[in-house]
Amino acid sequence: GENVEQHPSTLSVQEGDSAVIKCTYSDSASNYFPWYKQELGKGPQLIIDIRSNVGEKKDQRIAVTLNKTAKHFSLHITETQPEDSAVYFCAASMSGANSKLTFGKGITLSVRP
Amino acid sequence: GAGVSQSPSNKVTEKGKDVELRCDPISGHTALYWYRQRLGQGLEFLIYFQGNSAPDKSGLPSDRFSAERTGESVSTLTIQRTQQEDSAVYLCASRQVYEQYFGPGTRLTVT
Repeated sequence: GENVEQHPSTLSVQEGDSAVIKCTYSDSASNYFPWYKQELGKGPQLIIDIRSNVGEKKDQRIAVTLNKTAKHFSLHITETQPEDSAVYFCAASMSGANSKLTFGKGITLSVRP
Repeated sequence: GAGVSQSPSNKVTEKGKDVELRCDPISGHTALYWYRQRLGQGLEFLIYFQGNSAPDKSGLPSDRFSAERTGESVSTLTIQRTQQEDSAVYLCASRQVYEQYFGPGTRLTVT
């Protein structure tokens, strides 16, 4: 089955700097890669996703890049703000509701004011 | 539109009692998932329903855990004879094709 790994497990950046969180996956058949943000006491929130037919997707300060050959994808957050502090989970799956997401273990991002 | 809702938001129960947790998925979403999240930990997959197919129960940690889903609607997760190690947040999510959306979770505390 699919295996998703996230590195590092914690990341601390200064407000205004960029943060990059990387994930690797094992199953070359996976073609859907979402990122979730989980704030304290809340459920994970889908913030951006990418499908394997594109290499990059951007939404304001966040972007996701995908390297299918190397089987890794990354979340990029620019101009970080204290409210970006949260746990971020990456995941991978094949498309379709028949296929369940495999999640990474999560990374705690701290943005220092 | 309405997102995934879960009830109760918090549940405190005594060891040995049974509990029932409820999930209302997004209307029209055929897939429904339950996860467990212990404090400071990642998402532990429990069970997955997809349409009329047999559920994927591969993540249920013991036979004290069971879940049901009525058609493509509400799901209930039941934990029998609760133990202290069952204390966690139980998250439900629903999915149509790609995007999967989570509910706010039920925080279960077993005393």
